[in-house]
Amino acid sequence: VQLQESGPGLVRPSQALSLTCTVSGGSISSDYYYWSWIRQPAGKGLEWIGRVSSRGNTNYNPSLKSRVTISVDTSKNQFSLNLRSVTAADTAVYYCARGHNWNDDLFDPWGQGTLVTVSS
Amino acid sequence: SYVLTQPPSVSLAPGKTARITCGGNNIGSKSVHWYQQKPGQAPVLVIYYDSDRPSGIPERFSGSNSGNTATLTISRVEAGDEADYYCQVWDSSTDHVVFGGGTKLTVL
Repeated sequence: VQLQESGPGLVRPSQALSLTCTVSGGSISSDYYYWSWIRQPAGKGLEWIGRVSSRGNTNYNPSLKSRVTISVDTSKNQFSLNLRSVTAADTAVYYCARGHNWNDDLFDPWGQGTLVTVSS
Repeated sequence: SYVLTQPPSVSLAPGKTARITCGGNNIGSKSVHWYQQKPGQAPVLVIYYDSDRPSGIPERFSGSNSGNTATLTISRVEAGDEADYYCQVWDSSTDHVVFGGGTKLTVL
């Protein structure tokens, strides 16, 4: 399985950040896996954003929950991230990853990551 | 929320054994996963469920978890092991993923 992030590399402050992760080599509809977004500001650590199941169930990081929506499109084998009202603090490399356990998640594999810069 | 604490850096000579710790309140009751991230690359899972190793990860990588500390051990460290290492758990009280702050491993 391979994952590939896509979307704009530059987003204006107060706008929405939208990214898509395309899954290849396997079906996103599998009941065994879950699909997460994780980000990493330059020079800093990893922050889990949230996840979605193939049935559309979601969990979000409480610190971002009010601004985040993650959705799945099984017909396209894709899942997406929408982060609203962005600021410079949302500038980061965004990764998508496959999760393995709804009640005790771990991530393998990851996409290569995509840099999103929030700037006017 | 649940907090995982890692030392910012660990340095040692080639051939030595590296031990990277991950501290958390009663972390021994949780499953701990470890990731290796080399510069400019995405993280890679190296240990899962405390001590299991994915296929393709050398046997030099091992893990343990007890009490308030989980440990990633890398035996016979090589220059190619230089990377940032992150621990991760699932916080069942809030239903979300928690990462440690990361440890930079330097091979002198």
